[in-house]
Amino acid sequence: GNSVTQMEGPVTLSEEAFLTINCTYTATGYPSLFWYVQYPGEGLQLLLKATKADDKGSNKGFEATYRKETTSFHLEKGSVQVSDSAVYFCALTSNQAGTALIFGKGTTLSVSS
Amino acid sequence: NAGVMQNPRHLVRRRGQEARLRCSPMKGHSHVYWYRQLPEEGLKFMVYLQKENIIDESGMPKERFSAEFPKEGPSILRIQQVVRGDSAAYFCASHAPEGRETQYFGPGTRLLVL
Repeated sequence: GNSVTQMEGPVTLSEEAFLTINCTYTATGYPSLFWYVQYPGEGLQLLLKATKADDKGSNKGFEATYRKETTSFHLEKGSVQVSDSAVYFCALTSNQAGTALIFGKGTTLSVSS
Repeated sequence: NAGVMQNPRHLVRRRGQEARLRCSPMKGHSHVYWYRQLPEEGLKFMVYLQKENIIDESGMPKERFSAEFPKEGPSILRIQQVVRGDSAAYFCASHAPEGRETQYFGPGTRLLVL
């Protein structure tokens, strides 16, 4: 079945450091891929998405490229801020109507000044 | 345009009581998902509903859990005779008819069973 594996945290960085959070997936067909972010005590917010191979999703300085050959969708940011501290979830959904999201376990990012 | 709304945000129940969680989707959205997030885990799908119709409940426990999305009013996730293992954050998400792959999440209800 479909699944998502993301690197375990916590990831601890200093402000302005480079961030990579790895995400790989297993899926039949051509899923859509997502990164969601969850700030403490809040729900999930869509950070970025990509719906086909080689698409790059980007938002707020974060980027991820849909790599079908390596079944990956790694999240990157060139210079993190303290306000980026949160839990990041990689997820996929098949493109069939009404298919639920399948999430990774989440990676906690902590950025210090 | 208000986002997805859930209430209550926090709910405390004793073992054996009932828990009712409500979700109002974004305006114009007629489809709702419920997910459960156990501590230190990612979100797991529970049920997918359209107005007056359960489309997929394959992720829902067979007993004590039920969900509905009536023609009028919010979607309700109901847990009867709660047990400590039901303690979790329950999230609702909705999507627009034309944007099936993009789901918008509510702030969640954090259920604590004593």
